[in-house]
Amino acid sequence: GAVVSQHPSWVICKSGTSVKIECRSLDFQATTMFWYRQFPKQSLMLMATSNEGSKATYEQGVEKDKFLINHASLTLSTLTVTSAHPEDSSFYICSASRGRDEQYFGPGTRLTVT
Amino acid sequence: GDSVTQMEGPVTLSEEAFLTINCTYTATGYPSLFWYVQYPGEGLQLLLKATKADDKGSNKGFEATYRKETTSFHLEKGSVQVSDSAVYFCALVTGNQFYFGTGTSLTVIP
Repeated sequence: GAVVSQHPSWVICKSGTSVKIECRSLDFQATTMFWYRQFPKQSLMLMATSNEGSKATYEQGVEKDKFLINHASLTLSTLTVTSAHPEDSSFYICSASRGRDEQYFGPGTRLTVT
Repeated sequence: GDSVTQMEGPVTLSEEAFLTINCTYTATGYPSLFWYVQYPGEGLQLLLKATKADDKGSNKGFEATYRKETTSFHLEKGSVQVSDSAVYFCALVTGNQFYFGTGTSLTVIP
């Protein structure tokens, strides 16, 4: 159990467009979901913490108007990159938590903005 | 604040060699400690974890012991295989907040 999926796994978009990434917990209810960004050969950087039914909490330096997070249900959180630019190209990883110390990671979404 | 310091890579080993990847942490409370593995193009997979001092996490031949006196959680494996080539992340969690190390890239050559 405790499987987290992400969709799409890979997306290419043009500069100025918006992209939505979905994160789903497939076999458990996640009270909290997290969104990370990973640059090549670097560690994960926490972008925001998403709680079902409430506004996401963004880390310092992350633009909340650019990275829109919606946690509509206990199994789904979405990250929308608005007006994407090439510098937004990265690997985005979500994780879902169902309790203390339990966090399960999705396979990641590679975003390329041209 | 809480943080994790991880041995920098890359690390290259021959098959069947002994592996150690150092990890030390700083935390104000009593964190749980984790090792995650990331294969190319994939997300993170939990490798092992330890939730309190002196606990030993183990999985797939990998081991790590939670050492409170040295604030360490070093990853070890007695005999690495080519399939162990990946990036390894040390992490701690306090209050559901994860802190990751910078990752250590391991390449095992036949």
